[in-house]
Amino acid sequence: QKEVEQDPGPLSVPEGAIVSLNCTYSNSAFQYFMWYRQYSRKGPELLMYTYSSGNKEDGRFTAQVDKSSKYISLFIRDSQPSDSATYLCAMSPSRSNSGYALNFGKGTSLLVTP
Amino acid sequence: EAQVTQNPRYLITVTGKKLTVTCSQNMNHEYMSWYRQDPGLGLRQIYYSMNVEVTDKGDVPEGYKVSRKEKRNFPLILESPSPNQTSLYFCASKGGLVGNEQFFGPGTRLTVL
Repeated sequence: QKEVEQDPGPLSVPEGAIVSLNCTYSNSAFQYFMWYRQYSRKGPELLMYTYSSGNKEDGRFTAQVDKSSKYISLFIRDSQPSDSATYLCAMSPSRSNSGYALNFGKGTSLLVTP
Repeated sequence: EAQVTQNPRYLITVTGKKLTVTCSQNMNHEYMSWYRQDPGLGLRQIYYSMNVEVTDKGDVPEGYKVSRKEKRNFPLILESPSPNQTSLYFCASKGGLVGNEQFFGPGTRLTVL
């Protein structure tokens, strides 16, 4: 079983829709949770960063972490065509012998149509 | 502008010809690392460096070398590239002792023929 599972999509939604992206994980030691956005031919861009459980909101983006279910989510409100990209979840323990290595999901491809 | 830069952005080479991909960050970050991204496999860590002169292997270090002589630079060296090292490579950095917010460079697309 992979440590981090993420549905690759593609996910296609109309402009203005609420988008829900999710990842599940198996390692209960994970404490840091991140969402990255990656446009084609670009590097991953850090969108949201959360420590342990709870919610975090930044503009149209909300990140949720449920450690009891080992489940994290990213919600995008009022989605825009410019949100079309691949979204990667990433996570890591707070302390490890692997040098802060991020464990990534394989990414969900999102297309927002006008 | 705070950023991680990589050069070259695109490289086509042949098996066995040594190459170096450079990475530089201007955020005074202690920690730097290299990842490769492959379809179906996602991003995997190759090597990392906690600080100058301190480097260690990640999940997929075979065929790669690194060095960290200065805080801002962390080059990735392929001494004898092989076709299975054809991939998209990313350098990342993070600052501070707490947290794990890592910032990525724009990527280097390497093709080994």
